Amino acid sequence: GIQVEQSPPDLILQEGANSTLRCNFSDSVNNLQWFHQNPWGQLINLFYIPSGTKQNGRLSATTVATERYSLLYISSSQTTDSGVYFCAVERGGGSEKLVFGKGTKLTVNP
Amino acid sequence: GAVVSQHPSRVICKSGTSVKIECRSLDFQATTMFWYRQFPKQSLMLMATSNEGSKATYEQGVEKDKFLINHASLTLSTLTVTSAHPEDSSFYICSAPFRANTEAFFGQGTRLTVV
Repeated sequence: GIQVEQSPPDLILQEGANSTLRCNFSDSVNNLQWFHQNPWGQLINLFYIPSGTKQNGRLSATTVATERYSLLYISSSQTTDSGVYFCAVERGGGSEKLVFGKGTKLTVNP
Repeated sequence: GAVVSQHPSRVICKSGTSVKIECRSLDFQATTMFWYRQFPKQSLMLMATSNEGSKATYEQGVEKDKFLINHASLTLSTLTVTSAHPEDSSFYICSAPFRANTEAFFGQGTRLTVV
């Protein structure tokens, strides 16, 4: 099955710093999403981005489908950005079943 | 975005008892819903697909008799953990696709602790 790898596994930043999170996947995908899991466990949708670039405030994402990777950029990080960021891709065949990476745990210190 | 509601958010039960978790799509109909499981500090793994009007399909290694899924209507799927054991303690979270080839929305999750 499709493999999803995220890096780095852990990231510690000072407030105000910028960061880039990476997601590599092993096969072509029709669906790629980025999520932020907050301390209570809820998954917050950040981007649906099977290809191209999107921006939402301090966050932006780029997926290069032909090279099988996606990047999530966080600028001017805030303590509320702390949590785990997951990349997930559809397993294939229009199943809408998602395969998640292991996540990047981000800690933003004041 | 579309809203998926999950209840309860947290439950503690005794070994041997059963626990029911509800997943509702509040503002759209979902013929398919998905149930995922997350162990502490790990990723989410798909357990099963809930299908309205037909049997659920389970991922390899997931016991269908332990994790009963019922898709009662176009807005409700339930997961029942039967004869729960401490190793069933985990975070369970459901999702529903709003439309094909668009983002999936997740419920708030249920943290199950079996004592």
